[in-house]
Amino acid sequence: QVQLQESGPGLVKPSETLSLTCTVSGDSVSSYYWTWIRQPAGKGLEWIGGISASGTTYYSPSLKSRVAMSSDTSKNQIFVRLTSVTAADTAVYYCAREGPWGEGRVWGQGTTVTVSS
Amino acid sequence: SYVLTQPPSVSVAPGETARITCGGKNLGTQGVHWYQQKPGRAPVLVIFFDSDRPSGIPERFSGSNSGNTATLSISRVEAGDEADYYCQVWDRTSDLRVFGGGTKLTVL
Repeated sequence: QVQLQESGPGLVKPSETLSLTCTVSGDSVSSYYWTWIRQPAGKGLEWIGGISASGTTYYSPSLKSRVAMSSDTSKNQIFVRLTSVTAADTAVYYCAREGPWGEGRVWGQGTTVTVSS
Repeated sequence: SYVLTQPPSVSVAPGETARITCGGKNLGTQGVHWYQQKPGRAPVLVIFFDSDRPSGIPERFSGSNSGNTATLSISRVEAGDEADYYCQVWDRTSDLRVFGGGTKLTVL
């Protein structure tokens, strides 16, 4: 059974870089397509971007200048970095494994990130 | 970029059928996915590729997609169906994923 677990600092200072890890068990990150999605409190889901099995990345146009995704196949982990964060980046961050039609098949439980000094 | 539009809220009495719409230009040419999200929980896929159900999702959940509108239908609504529902597509022209704004389903 595939399981995803997000981890990272719960608090990040404005203008700094947010770095999160998604640890995958029960599957290989070198298979499928993996995505990051975030959700500010009380608001909707926002797709941040994704990384394919081959390592190709795709980013939301609204975040493209500040986001980078990567993977470590030896550790079976997916990473996201978001630079120059502001309070608007405060959200629950989810990683998910996609199915063949771009659907989020398996989700992590999410990790809360607060941007504050 | 592609935009998906959902009504902010839908209300339905127990036992009735809830219908939640998702609008987008030529949406019928794309595969639409639907998620259920309960408070404090991660989203759960309930419909993929317009009308397919993942294993474990009750048959009460169904979907359709034609023209500019996709619809998630929940028959014989129960109190436990109260949640936020989101539609999502893979916009193949840009290779980006797009979510609708979400619809809060209230069971009266």
